[in-house]
Amino acid sequence: QSVLTQPPSASGTPGQRVTISCSGSSSNIGSNTVNWYQQLPGTAPKLLIYSNNQRPSGVPDRFSGSKSGTSASLAISGLQSEDEADYYCAAWDDSLNGSWVFGGGTKLTVL
Amino acid sequence: QVQLQESGPGLVKPSQTLSLTCTVSGGSISSGGYYWSWIRQHPGKGLEWIGYIYYSGSTYYNPSLKSRVTISVDTSKNQFSLKLSSVTAADTAVYYCARHGAENFDYWGQGTLVTVSS
Repeated sequence: QSVLTQPPSASGTPGQRVTISCSGSSSNIGSNTVNWYQQLPGTAPKLLIYSNNQRPSGVPDRFSGSKSGTSASLAISGLQSEDEADYYCAAWDDSLNGSWVFGGGTKLTVL
Repeated sequence: QVQLQESGPGLVKPSQTLSLTCTVSGGSISSGGYYWSWIRQHPGKGLEWIGYIYYSGSTYYNPSLKSRVTISVDTSKNQFSLKLSSVTAADTAVYYCARHGAENFDYWGQGTLVTVSS
């Protein structure tokens, strides 16, 4: 059971806009920034969004992040086949002396 | 470009200690400003943070694993290491090493699968 809650799956057709939600609590998302990671099949996770809505260099602007209260969202517009991957949200959790916590991951399928 | 590479046995017997090393290239651990973490992913599951170390040797562990985890650093070799004691089948996972600043993991190793089995 992950501390952050994500839907296990999401899907869309090429060109569509898809959003993935991440729900937490006051001790994690509510008081710290959210990061998103993309994990392509058989590879390590890659930083996709940091500080709620910032993109590292090289990440297309099709990817965007937002946060409100104890929830966050990742949006992917102009969906492409290469976006098919697992997506994880993460945040620092201030409870129990602190720990990094992750969502359970959302598998995005491009139909 | 910072690169991280995990190494260590792929098979560990139950009750023994899992030992992995992460070698960092393209940047110096001792330059400071970053923390060096271990993260694992059980087969087909999500990510679990294990703990981190700073170049000074300061460590911080996931409370749920703290009693079994030791992370150390060797700045002369630009490496940091993980030891997880008293392993069981539940510790079978892909283990990643990663670098993070204040708020995110920006560089990851490719990961190494460790299977706990007799």
